[in-house]
Amino acid sequence: DIVMTQSPDSLAVSLGERATINCKSSQSVLNRSNNKNFLAWYQQKPRQPPKLVIYWASTRQSGVPDRFSGSGSATDFTLTISSLQAEDVAVYYCQQYHSPPWTFGQGTKVEIK
Amino acid sequence: QVTLRESGPALVKPTQTLTLTCTFSGFSLNNDGVCVSWIRQSPGKAPEWLARIDWDDDKYYTTSLETRLTISKDTSKNQVVLIMTNLDPVDTGTYYCARCNVEVSTAIGLDYWGQGILVTVSS
Repeated sequence: DIVMTQSPDSLAVSLGERATINCKSSQSVLNRSNNKNFLAWYQQKPRQPPKLVIYWASTRQSGVPDRFSGSGSATDFTLTISSLQAEDVAVYYCQQYHSPPWTFGQGTKVEIK
Repeated sequence: QVTLRESGPALVKPTQTLTLTCTFSGFSLNNDGVCVSWIRQSPGKAPEWLARIDWDDDKYYTTSLETRLTISKDTSKNQVVLIMTNLDPVDTGTYYCARCNVEVSTAIGLDYWGQGILVTVSS
């Protein structure tokens, strides 16, 4: 199974500042047939299901503000919130959908400093 | 408009079998590449992917639970059923179903989720 490891477990960022979350996979999640990384990021707010934010490691899902961006390839990935807003307070998870069983990272809690 | 809704018992006794149903609309499990996954989340923990069923009836399970899980579909009813046997209190959590796609060009993860159903395992 592919193990997903996120860092840090939590971070506190001032409003308007940058938040950066890292995700590392134990194996490459690069799909050779289309050269896409099968890596997604989700945002989860209390009492809600996770919401898809980024797929293919760097493509924003429809309706997601452009302050959210993803980068990385193969085994190392980053989610960046360029200017943190109050509504971005949530737990963020990375997930690989390259090989079943699909697996999630342990989550990173983003709070306001 | 894509929607998914989980249904099933809220309370189950230890050693019993849990049957959950995901009823969906806005897409078809007959279409190439479409899949439905089940994910659970224990209180305060990360989501845990449990199982997936594809349009062609291929099935996949998480390694640690594969002997206890069975996933099936009824495309005429737009439903996916997850059966989990021999429940334990550690299986307490919110169970979600979500749409996915496994075609290389359209595989973007779990794009639509149900609201989830809280299942408590307790005597």
